[in-house]
Amino acid sequence: RKEVEQDPGPFNVPEGATVAFNCTYSNSASQSFFWYRQDCRKEPKLLMSVYSSGNEDGRFTAQLNRASQYISLLIRDSKLSDSATYLCVVNPQGDSGAGSYQLTFGKGTKLSVIP
Amino acid sequence: ETGVTQTPRHLVMGMTNKKSLKCEQHLGHNAMYWYKQSAKKPLELMFVYSLEERVENNSVPSRFSPECPNSSHLFLHLHTLQPEDSALYLCASSPWTGTNYGYTFGSGTRLTVV
Repeated sequence: RKEVEQDPGPFNVPEGATVAFNCTYSNSASQSFFWYRQDCRKEPKLLMSVYSSGNEDGRFTAQLNRASQYISLLIRDSKLSDSATYLCVVNPQGDSGAGSYQLTFGKGTKLSVIP
Repeated sequence: ETGVTQTPRHLVMGMTNKKSLKCEQHLGHNAMYWYKQSAKKPLELMFVYSLEERVENNSVPSRFSPECPNSSHLFLHLHTLQPEDSALYLCASSPWTGTNYGYTFGSGTRLTVV
């Protein structure tokens, strides 16, 4: 099983649609989780951290299910500017110990929002 | 300037050349990283520096040589590269090596080895 697995897409959705991405991770001891956004030929940018209780930032909602070892990202009312690749990122070790900086990236899910 | 700055943005080099990639962060962070991003592959961690000390070398070939003269600057020295080394090389920084903060990435250097 890959360490961090995502559906590569592409997801093609109309403006205003709601779209959800899932990501699974293999290491049950993982402690920190993030969603990054990467535009074409640009660097990844932190979109949001994912907390156990779930968290929301405007149109974006992130959820963590530790029992099933998956993370989700929900985007409501999609905008054209949301078109990008969304990277699921996991820290297998948490915030301490050897390798605590070893963030593991998924390959990303490509989203295209269509007018 | 703010954030993480990488130069050059693009680099084409022959297999016998020697070149260096430069990264500078203006965020007051103490940890810096080199990542490699190849087509259709996830980002691969290459090196980690914490307070100018290398704390991780992810089995990277010796033709890649990092240097961190201070906590704001990071270099990646390249020599006798192979065509398969063509990729986007990303520098990142974080407040400390603990990753609950997330990373700030530079724009990357797109390297082509011919």
